[in-house]
Amino acid sequence: GAVVSQHPSWVICKSGTSVKIECRSLDFQATTMFWYRQFPKQSLMLMATSNEGSKATYEQGVEKDKFLINHASLTLSTLTVTSAHPEDSSFYICSANRNGENTEAFFGQGTRLTVV
Amino acid sequence: GQNIDQPTEMTATEGAIVQINCTYQTSGFNGLFWYQQHAGEAPTFLSYNVLDGLEEKGRFSSFLSRSKGYSYLLLKELQMKDSASYLCAVLDSNYQLIWGAGTKLIIKP
Repeated sequence: GAVVSQHPSWVICKSGTSVKIECRSLDFQATTMFWYRQFPKQSLMLMATSNEGSKATYEQGVEKDKFLINHASLTLSTLTVTSAHPEDSSFYICSANRNGENTEAFFGQGTRLTVV
Repeated sequence: GQNIDQPTEMTATEGAIVQINCTYQTSGFNGLFWYQQHAGEAPTFLSYNVLDGLEEKGRFSSFLSRSKGYSYLLLKELQMKDSASYLCAVLDSNYQLIWGAGTKLIIKP
């Protein structure tokens, strides 16, 4: 199967600082990647759709200036949480589909962000 | 609006069979997925159904009825490692995944 690598797996940062999370498709190209957020005991919530070479599409209620997404190549998308606050503490997961396929979303390992 | 319903929690005994149901109302349908998620980990793919009927894959089977907006995941010969959350997700007309809240499955010895 295809592999999506997400880094870091966990991070602790101070309030007001920024954190960058990387999502890489290791053995396939992905024009589109997805960023999710998951609070404890809740389902995945789509934050934004990352499109290679163009601006990301954000879901309603997600601040684009706070959650910066860059999809500079067909194998890498980054999510930067800017000026992090404790309420941003969550589990962030990325996923990608092989170009042209919708039969399976491949997930990164997830990033546990704790803002103190 | 779009909605996916599945039970919040289920309990079953090791070695037994359990069926997790999922009903959906979405704008369009391009397939239904089941994912398994252990606490603190990313979801892992279990199955994909786009046509009516039963898909069997080892101990796990998934069923779909598009006319009823209904699916179930059947787990046989339950093992302790099957304790996890099981997420139902539907691909809508825009090819966006709509997620259920997940069913926490507890396996008892």
